[in-house]
Amino acid sequence: AIQLTQSPSSLSASVGDRVTITCRASQGISSALAWYQQKPGKAPKLLIYDASTLQSGVPSSFSGSGSGTEFTLTISSLQPEDFATYYCQQFDSYPLTFGGGTRVEIQ
Amino acid sequence: QVQLVQSGAEVKEPGSSVKVSCKASGGTVITYTINWVRQAPGQGLEWMGGIIPIFGTVNVAQKFQGRITISADESTSTAHMELSSLRSDDTAVYYCARDLRRYCSSITCYAGFDNWGQGALVTVSS
Repeated sequence: AIQLTQSPSSLSASVGDRVTITCRASQGISSALAWYQQKPGKAPKLLIYDASTLQSGVPSSFSGSGSGTEFTLTISSLQPEDFATYYCQQFDSYPLTFGGGTRVEIQ
Repeated sequence: QVQLVQSGAEVKEPGSSVKVSCKASGGTVITYTINWVRQAPGQGLEWMGGIIPIFGTVNVAQKFQGRITISADESTSTAHMELSSLRSDDTAVYYCARDLRRYCSSITCYAGFDNWGQGALVTVSS
């Protein structure tokens, strides 16, 4: 199974900060990667698919990049509603796997 | 806008089975892949398996092979996930989730899960 390693596992940031989260795959997955945001008690929300395509309705402050084994999710200016846990997921091969998550907390 | 509505919370004894349903309110499940993802308390997300109803294809994670049954009923626009031989570490919130793209016949078409059910808490306890 392809392993996805997210870093950092948690971070503290302030409103207005630029935040970058990394997801590394144990083998090349082309651009078959999605990013999700999850808030406590809620289902995940799709942010980015195909590594860099912004899902409809998602603010343009979110962006994704990368291919192969290294991917990044960037929030250009952190807003209060962005404090949440973020997950990457690969769609290159079964089983579909998720990264361990990155918790973004208020500093 | 199609909404995925899941069945309610369940409490099960170890060794028993649970069946969770996921109804596409206002739409169909037949043309999309429907996946099952679970999340143990305080833990991350785990993909369990998925079904492509229009092609009758089911894929499951090896971890759940032999214990999981995933099905879909076009007539009721409902997908089901049944997990047997329950253990305490199966306690989790179980989500159904629909892939963004329609008519996917293989994994190369998958993009991301854009529509999720509200989740169903399954507690396994004696």
